[in-house]
Amino acid sequence: GAGVSQSPSNKVTEKGKDVELRCDPISGHTALYWYRQSLGQGLEFLIYFQGNSAPDKSGLPSDRFSAERTGGSVSTLTIQRTQQEDSAVYLCASRSTGRIQYFGPGTRLLVL
Amino acid sequence: KQEVTQIPAALSVPEGENLVLNCSFTDSAIYNLQWFRQDPGKGLTSLLLIQSSQREQTSGRLNASLDKSSGRSTLYIAASQPGDSATYLCAVVKAAGNKLTFGGGTRVLVKP
Repeated sequence: GAGVSQSPSNKVTEKGKDVELRCDPISGHTALYWYRQSLGQGLEFLIYFQGNSAPDKSGLPSDRFSAERTGGSVSTLTIQRTQQEDSAVYLCASRSTGRIQYFGPGTRLLVL
Repeated sequence: KQEVTQIPAALSVPEGENLVLNCSFTDSAIYNLQWFRQDPGKGLTSLLLIQSSQREQTSGRLNASLDKSSGRSTLYIAASQPGDSATYLCAVVKAAGNKLTFGGGTRVLVKP
């Protein structure tokens, strides 16, 4: 079956612009996670959605970052007023009732 | 705050040798530990998941051990092949469904 998909696969933007990154989880998966992988910081957690519960936003690095999940499926990560340090690969993962998180291929963001 | 460390950061071996990858974590109160593989430009693929009550898990040529009390896990890959070349990441989960906390990864090169 289809895995986790993310779009775009690559995004180049200018400093100060807003960007939206999309994640389509595996159908039926109730949990969705966003992570960021950068050279200096490794792979770090950003935000976690579980069903209709309030999301765990504890990993968001600043108030320029936000995410929503509509209808319990697709999620969008928005970065406002992008900075060069936001350049990274943004990974999305989803999970059903099991323990394994399934990762998408990521969106590579470059802020010039 | 949980910290996960992987040593070595990079490893190069001739084909056929066994690989030993180390992972240590500072907080032994974990729910499970997972090993992932990441190929360049790709997302993460789950290799093995060890519950906190388990000592090891095996899948084919892969074996992962867990010593929770000492905060260590080891991934063994027997009879390495060039196709095993990738970055291997370990990650721990503090509670069911929660975020993954990742180590920095070990980049493996298996030379033919």
